[in-house]
Amino acid sequence: GENVEQHPSTLSVQEGDSAVIKCTYSDSASNYFPWYKQELGKRPQLIIDIRSNVGEKKDQRIAVTLNKTAKHFSLHITETQPEDSAVYFCAATPGNQFYFGTGTSLTVIP
Amino acid sequence: DTGVSQNPRHKITKRGQNVTFRCDPISEHNRLYWYRQTLGQGPEFLTYFQNEAQLEKSRLLSDRFSAERPKGSFSTLEIQRTEQGDSAMYLCASTLAATDTQYFGPGTRLTVL
Repeated sequence: GENVEQHPSTLSVQEGDSAVIKCTYSDSASNYFPWYKQELGKRPQLIIDIRSNVGEKKDQRIAVTLNKTAKHFSLHITETQPEDSAVYFCAATPGNQFYFGTGTSLTVIP
Repeated sequence: DTGVSQNPRHKITKRGQNVTFRCDPISEHNRLYWYRQTLGQGPEFLTYFQNEAQLEKSRLLSDRFSAERPKGSFSTLEIQRTEQGDSAMYLCASTLAATDTQYFGPGTRLTVL
C-alpha cells in the first residue's frame, strides 16, 4: 500500500514569515494529493489539493507543489498569521484509500 | 446543516461493552469512509463504502469492528468487546467521487475505561 511521510512534525514561525511542509509518497499510482488543516478539537478541513497532471496550484497565501518524479509534494503558506496555527495533514490516494501523513503542528508566533 | 454529521460526539464505555456510531454523509455523496485518529497522528483508514457496498477494509481492522451502510445513505460502525486500545476519535468522511474532496464529520470520541 501507499506510505506517506510528512516533515517536519512541528514548525514555529514568526508572523509574516513563510512556512513549508513536505510530504513524500511511495505509490506511483497516487494521483490526488489533498492538504487538510485541523484545529484543536475540530474536524480536518481541506485547504488545497492538487492532481497528478498539475505541478503547482495556488490559492491566495497557500500553494502546493508536486514533483511526480521524486514522489514528493509540499505545502507553502506565505505571510503567515496567528490563525494559521493548527495541525496540517497531507494525504495521497491512488483512488480508493486515502493515506495520511502524521501531521505537522504549525505555530505562528505573533 | 448540510455537512457530514456524526453521533454521538462522545462515548465513554467500559471495556468489553459494544458501541455503535452513526455517520450521516452529505446527501448526494456516494462514497463514505471511516477513519480512526489517535492523538498526534493522521487519520487512519478503516473502511469505505460506495453506495451500500463495502469495497475495502483495512487489514488493521479486527473482526470486532463491523460497518454497514444498508441503504447507501447513513452508515454505522460497531465495535464489539471494546478494548482500551480502541480509545480514539472515529471520523467519517464522504465524497462524490474517488478522487475528490473528502468532507469530514466532527468525529465521535470514544473512551474505553
